[in-house]
Amino acid sequence: NAGVTQTPKFQVLKTGQSMTLQCAQDMNHNSMYWYRQDPGMGLRLIYYSASEGTTDKGEVPNGYNVSRLNKREFSLRLESAAPSQTSVYFCASSNQGDRETDTQYFGPGTRLTVL
Amino acid sequence: RKEVEQDPGPFNVPEGATVAFNCTYSNSASQSFFWYRQDCRKEPKLLMSVYSSGNEDGRFTAQLNRASQYISLLIRDSKLSDSATYLCVVNRKAAGNKLTFGGGTRVLVKP
Repeated sequence: NAGVTQTPKFQVLKTGQSMTLQCAQDMNHNSMYWYRQDPGMGLRLIYYSASEGTTDKGEVPNGYNVSRLNKREFSLRLESAAPSQTSVYFCASSNQGDRETDTQYFGPGTRLTVL
Repeated sequence: RKEVEQDPGPFNVPEGATVAFNCTYSNSASQSFFWYRQDCRKEPKLLMSVYSSGNEDGRFTAQLNRASQYISLLIRDSKLSDSATYLCVVNRKAAGNKLTFGGGTRVLVKP
């Protein structure tokens, strides 16, 4: 049981390049999330998917797109990377519901640098 | 004003001592509260949920004060392994199961 996995772990891009961050969970969770974490800023929600087939914007969606490919997988795409997107990206999943099940479980993160 | 605010620290704590810190939240509709722990360059992990009546998990005690809109975390008998950043997290069910994170409080336990 791997929990939440993310690929790649590290990535360096040049401004204007595109890439897709992959995330998968094996806990049969309904909801999945993408966050970015910048120094002193805390985690900020980029996009989330409450259930398979749905996606919604979070706090900082500009410059990103997402795809909920199936219940297990939720990808984040940067179409034209900018230096402001240099950050650590975390994927998370949860079962939306009562207090005992709305814990979010995080992947190990992707460290992205845009030059 | 940030929705969830924390003192960034660091709180330098002698091993074996007690440390406590608070987090304030601005939205009175917040319904669920959590403390997550994040080690350096690692992912956040749930430490404990915070219930209205206050709750304890071993050396960790969490309190919620709805009237003043803050939650607290107290760590007793600090261990070197408690060194981490502690993230205060709130959830408004009406906004979906979306968590709002504070910036974190860094705790350094020293021998």
